Amino acid sequence: AQSVTQLDSQVPVFEEAPVELRCNYSSSVSVYLFWYVQYPNQGLQLLLKYLSGSTLVKSINGFEAEFNKSQTSFHLRKPSVHISDTAEYFCAVSDQGDSSYKLIFGSGTRLLVRP
Amino acid sequence: DVKVTQSSRYLVKRTGEKVFLECVQDMDHENMFWYRQDPGLGLRLIYFSYDVKMKEKGDIPEGYSVSREKKERFSLILESASTNQTSMYLCASSFAGAYEQYFGPGTRLTVT
Repeated sequence: AQSVTQLDSQVPVFEEAPVELRCNYSSSVSVYLFWYVQYPNQGLQLLLKYLSGSTLVKSINGFEAEFNKSQTSFHLRKPSVHISDTAEYFCAVSDQGDSSYKLIFGSGTRLLVRP
Repeated sequence: DVKVTQSSRYLVKRTGEKVFLECVQDMDHENMFWYRQDPGLGLRLIYFSYDVKMKEKGDIPEGYSVSREKKERFSLILESASTNQTSMYLCASSFAGAYEQYFGPGTRLTVT
C-alpha cells in the first residue's frame, strides 16, 4: 500500500445521530483493511477488519465498514452514536502478500459526540 | 486477552540522554513493532522485528535503534534524545502470518 487518507481530522456529531468516517487508500496490489479505535489515554484497539469475503464488515458495538474496491475506500459508519464513541479512529491497510505484515495508518479522525 | 505492556506511561528526559522504552507481550507473538504517534500524522513505523535478534527498519528509523533478545520483549533505544523525538510511542505485536496487531497503552515521551 502506498498511502491511506482520512480527509476529516475531526467530526463533531450529536448523540444518536448517524456518522460516517471516510478512508481512502492507494495501492497497486490487493489489500487488507482495518479500523482501529483509540479512546483517551489508551492504546489502539482493533474495531473491525476486512480480509476477504463479504465486503461489509461489522463490529460488536454497532459500527460497520464497507470495502469498495473500485473507489479504493473503506468508510466507517454507525447509524446512531453514543457519547462513549468519542475517540480517535484510525484506518489502516496492509498489502496482501507483504511478508513483513506491516500496517500503514491514516492520520486519524477524532469523533466528538455531543449530548 | 492479549496483553502488551510498556514500561512507562509518561517519561521526561533531557536532550542528549540515552533513553530506553521497553515493551513486553504475553501471547507468544512472533512480530513486534514500534510506532510513534504525532497529531495529524497518525502512526509511523520506526522499527519492527519478526523474530528474536531480528530487526527491520520502518519508515522513520533515524535516531532510533532496537533490541530483541527475548521473544516477549522489544526495546526501543534513543541513543541521544532530541527535542524532535518528543512524541507518543506505541508498541504492538502480532502472530506470524497475521495482520492484526495488538497495541500497548503507549509512552508519552517529552525531551526537554
